Amino acid sequence: EVQLVESGGGLVQPGGSLRLSCAASGFTFSSYAMSWVRQAPGKGLEWVSDISGSGGSTYYADSVKGRFTISRDNSKNTVYVQMNSLRVEDTAVYYCAKSGSGSSYSEWFDPWGQGTLVTVSS
Amino acid sequence: SYELSQALSVSVALGQTARITCGGNNIGSKNVHWYQQKPGQAPVLVIYRDSNRPSGIPERFSGSNSGNTATLTISRAQAGDEADYYCQVWDSSAVFGGGTKLTVL
Repeated sequence: EVQLVESGGGLVQPGGSLRLSCAASGFTFSSYAMSWVRQAPGKGLEWVSDISGSGGSTYYADSVKGRFTISRDNSKNTVYVQMNSLRVEDTAVYYCAKSGSGSSYSEWFDPWGQGTLVTVSS
Repeated sequence: SYELSQALSVSVALGQTARITCGGNNIGSKNVHWYQQKPGQAPVLVIYRDSNRPSGIPERFSGSNSGNTATLTISRAQAGDEADYYCQVWDSSAVFGGGTKLTVL
């Protein structure tokens, strides 16, 4: 069974930094792209970033480009997102998701982790 | 950037058929994926590549895509189908529709 477990969320002040982790199990981790998708309170889903299975290709939403960095450690079956210069509008539940296909990006997302809440507030 | 449009809400009588649409410019040329999200839970994939059901998803869920509209159809709607439904495509980045709240009356 595929499992994705996020960690690292919490309260941070505007301008601060946070690193989220997602530990994966139940599949050949290095064979799949991984993603971060977020959901602000009471709002819809917003894709944040993708990373290919090898880690050689990364993709970012315009809203986080230059502030967030996605990475992965295939020896630890873990994907990360380093979030810098955080803004109030970055407040959201952050979900880790596995690519549903074998592409270098997540054409679709399946499954999703349970999410970790990031609150940016002074 | 590519945009997807969904109605805010759809209602369906218990046991009837619900249709949730997702609009986009020439969306028929793209692969559309659908997710179900119940309150307090993570999204779950219910349809991928327009009309394919992942294992474990009931046959009552089906999808189609043509022209400027993709449609998620839920037959014989049950109370447990009440949820938010999101469509999604990849267009140089992942794009989600705004979501549709399905109410089963």
